[in-house]
Amino acid sequence: DAGVTQSPTHLIKTRGQQVTLRCSPKSGHDTVSWYQQALGQGPQFIFQYYEEEERQRGNFPDRFSGHQFPNYSSELNVNALLLGDSALYLCASSLTGPNQPQHFGDGTRLSIL
Amino acid sequence: AQSVTQLDSQVPVFEEAPVELRCNYSSSVSVYLFWYVQYPNQGLQLLLKYLSGSTLVKGINGFEAEFNKSQTSFHLRKPSVHISDTAEYFCAVSENTGNQFYFGTGTSLTVIP
Repeated sequence: DAGVTQSPTHLIKTRGQQVTLRCSPKSGHDTVSWYQQALGQGPQFIFQYYEEEERQRGNFPDRFSGHQFPNYSSELNVNALLLGDSALYLCASSLTGPNQPQHFGDGTRLSIL
Repeated sequence: AQSVTQLDSQVPVFEEAPVELRCNYSSSVSVYLFWYVQYPNQGLQLLLKYLSGSTLVKGINGFEAEFNKSQTSFHLRKPSVHISDTAEYFCAVSENTGNQFYFGTGTSLTVIP
């Protein structure tokens, strides 16, 4: 049973560019959350998608946007990249509900030059 | 807003010694509590969770944690650590009124041979 898969593994971009990260949830899961983990920090919640809608959003600017597809997979888009966007981006999937454990992928390491 | 505090950023401990990693949270509503482990260049793996019922919960790899509502704490313990326990440990909280997971800044556990 495949867990959460993310692509690509690593990505290098320059300031001002745009990036799209992809996530396939664990089989049976219908909810996808995205997190940003800066070096030496804990994951910070970006947003959560359920039934193809953004259900909750953390304290991130509108440059961060997302999408969920009918097969529950998801994309994270970041526009106008800044140096501070360099981080590990983690996708987590779960069944819906605040008491449902989130299952994480191995992340996409984004470096901004 | 919810905050999760992991007071110890680094914990060195000798192999086969006991360890406790501390976690405190701030919330006035009912919460669900989780501990995750992160190995280098990997995503987060669920160690254990508290949803309701007994305040002492057992997880994988011999870890256990105790929920203390009056002290708003959820400390992680292991009676005898192994070299393979060297990793970053994150405490996470979700509130029954939302969908977001709040993470602490992590505790780096180093097991010394």
